[in-house]
Amino acid sequence: DQQVKQNSPSLSVQEGRISILNCDYTNSMFDYFLWYKKYPAEGPTFLISISSIKDKNEDGRFTVFLNKSAKHLSLHIVPSQPGDSAVYFCAAADNDYKLSFGAGTTVTVRA
Amino acid sequence: NAGVTQTPKFQVLKTGQSMTLQCAQDMNHNSMYWYRQDPGMGLRLIYYSASEGTTDKGEVPNGYNVSRLNKREFSLRLESAAPSQTSVYFCASTTSFYEQYFGPGTRLTVT
Repeated sequence: DQQVKQNSPSLSVQEGRISILNCDYTNSMFDYFLWYKKYPAEGPTFLISISSIKDKNEDGRFTVFLNKSAKHLSLHIVPSQPGDSAVYFCAAADNDYKLSFGAGTTVTVRA
Repeated sequence: NAGVTQTPKFQVLKTGQSMTLQCAQDMNHNSMYWYRQDPGMGLRLIYYSASEGTTDKGEVPNGYNVSRLNKREFSLRLESAAPSQTSVYFCASTTSFYEQYFGPGTRLTVT
């Protein structure tokens, strides 16, 4: 049973607008959350992370929000750029050496 | 500094054949991982090695074996390939417990 869920397989957004990607998790032991970005024919690359003791982390155009009571996190990309078109994976860790990944959301930024 | 390298990039096997996927990292990371990525499934952990000399099963270990040859290298072996093992395989490494660095992947087709 998937413990990390990304219920939107795809998202299309106009260049310059905000992209919001959502992720839900079921395991209350998860204490660290990450977002990865993946281009076709490449491996995933780390984008941004957040510890469970925080509710927001910002890095340039990327902000991750964590709502522990709802077991929900989101990634905001503002403003969206054509180079942001990729697959985004949400991942979670429960203080061991392993990550659990969601199925991914494909983002397409339209010019 | 090449990061995480994987060989081969592509491979086609017949059912029942065996092969070994190679992975090496030059970042002096302690932990290494093997994942498979299938459409709609995200990345699923096959095996991992928290440190040199140790290996453990992940979420989907059946049909695979691994060897942590030394700190740099972690190989994945398919003893008798099956069509269900058609997938893209990613190797990753980390020293920070959470932020994993991925290789470019091996696309495997079993006919």
